[in-house]
Amino acid sequence: GQNIDQPTEMTATEGAIVQINCTYQTSGFNGLFWYQQHAGEAPTFLSYNVLDGLEEKGRFSSFLSRSKGYSYLLLKELQMKDSASYLCAVPEGTPLVFGKGTRLSVIA
Amino acid sequence: AAGVIQSPRHLIKEKRETATLKCYPIPRHDTVYWYQQGPGQDPQFLISFYEKMQSDKGSIPDRFSAQQFSDYHSELNMSSLELGDSALYFCASSAPGSGGREQYFGPGTRLTVT
Repeated sequence: GQNIDQPTEMTATEGAIVQINCTYQTSGFNGLFWYQQHAGEAPTFLSYNVLDGLEEKGRFSSFLSRSKGYSYLLLKELQMKDSASYLCAVPEGTPLVFGKGTRLSVIA
Repeated sequence: AAGVIQSPRHLIKEKRETATLKCYPIPRHDTVYWYQQGPGQDPQFLISFYEKMQSDKGSIPDRFSAQQFSDYHSELNMSSLELGDSALYFCASSAPGSGGREQYFGPGTRLTVT
């Protein structure tokens, strides 16, 4: 089975940088996903990491260390619209197992 | 670009009633996943279909059943509804050969059981 842990809530200031951590334990690793979810809306795909290292995509970057069972999502130049839940997920077969999500509040 | 379509978007039912949720995947996507997300919870995988056959089964109650049709749309049938079934139900689809990577989620159906 999969065990995923991420902080419940975080608060950051508009224009700042925030790092959301995720640790996981899996019976077999097949990549790690980050999704963004605004309240009452569908999760939207942000990133997929299967190899160690940093993947940058605009203001968002995702890092993976397979040996440490650790990933983080880095959000730069925070905007108010980035206030959302950020879900770390790993596949169990092909279905995704999600963490509880980190609710990020961006304040002025 | 076409996205995953779910209907209805909102549904209100009473206890012990039945409900049917529909999902239309992105064109040419062959795999459909159903997830249930309770209030303040993370999405929980229910069931998935690949090429019209059940491929994986998660925490789907026996009261629920699902199928994928020849046009790849899927339906989730829910019977003997309970208050605890109130949740957002998401359908996601993925493309052939993707191995489930980049699952695209529909907007969800909000089911309220009273």
